[in-house]
Amino acid sequence: EAGVAQSPRYKIIEKRQSVAFWCNPISGHATLYWYQQILGQGPKLLIQFQNNGVVDDSQLPKDRFSAERLKGVDSTLKIQPAKLEDSAVYLCASSFASGAGTDTQYFGPGTRLTVL
Amino acid sequence: AQSVTQLDSHVSVSEGTPVLLRCNYSSSYSPSLFWYVQHPNKGLQLLLKYTSAATLVKGINGFEAEFKKSETSFHLTKPSAHMSDAAEYFCVVSDQKGFQKLVFGTGTRLLVSP
Repeated sequence: EAGVAQSPRYKIIEKRQSVAFWCNPISGHATLYWYQQILGQGPKLLIQFQNNGVVDDSQLPKDRFSAERLKGVDSTLKIQPAKLEDSAVYLCASSFASGAGTDTQYFGPGTRLTVL
Repeated sequence: AQSVTQLDSHVSVSEGTPVLLRCNYSSSYSPSLFWYVQHPNKGLQLLLKYTSAATLVKGINGFEAEFKKSETSFHLTKPSAHMSDAAEYFCVVSDQKGFQKLVFGTGTRLLVSP
């Protein structure tokens, strides 16, 4: 079974530029998550989609971050404009069922963003 | 609100010796607990999860963890370390009520020496 796909794997930009990340979840997975992992820390949830609806975006900095999941499959996460503190690994994950507490999330390899 | 405390930022063992990675959790409701492993430049991989069935959970690659409600702990163990076990390990908690929201610990880096 193919895993969660993410691209690009690495991205270097200057502050105030914009950037977009793409995620393709495991086929049939209804729930999709975006996480931010800053060096030396555990991942932090940014946004959760159930099909193409947003379930939780309470920790998404909405003044600069946006995300969408068209047709309930692929998703894109955008940062505009980027700040130095956005340097991190951005992880996408998906789960099969309803996003309930007992689900298993499967993670992609991540996109490492460096903001100069 | 849930939280997780991983008691050691680094653990060093010799190959063939036991591994113990410690984790304490806090949860308002019945928790689901997970251990994930992250190898360099790779995604997070689920080792095992507890969802209120058996309190001793067996995972992949010989790892297991025991849920102890009285101690609010979910420590990860392995009888004999292998060089390939060197990685970052995350203890994770989620409430079983409502939508899943994983809360990660800060991680424990396991170093394995020959």
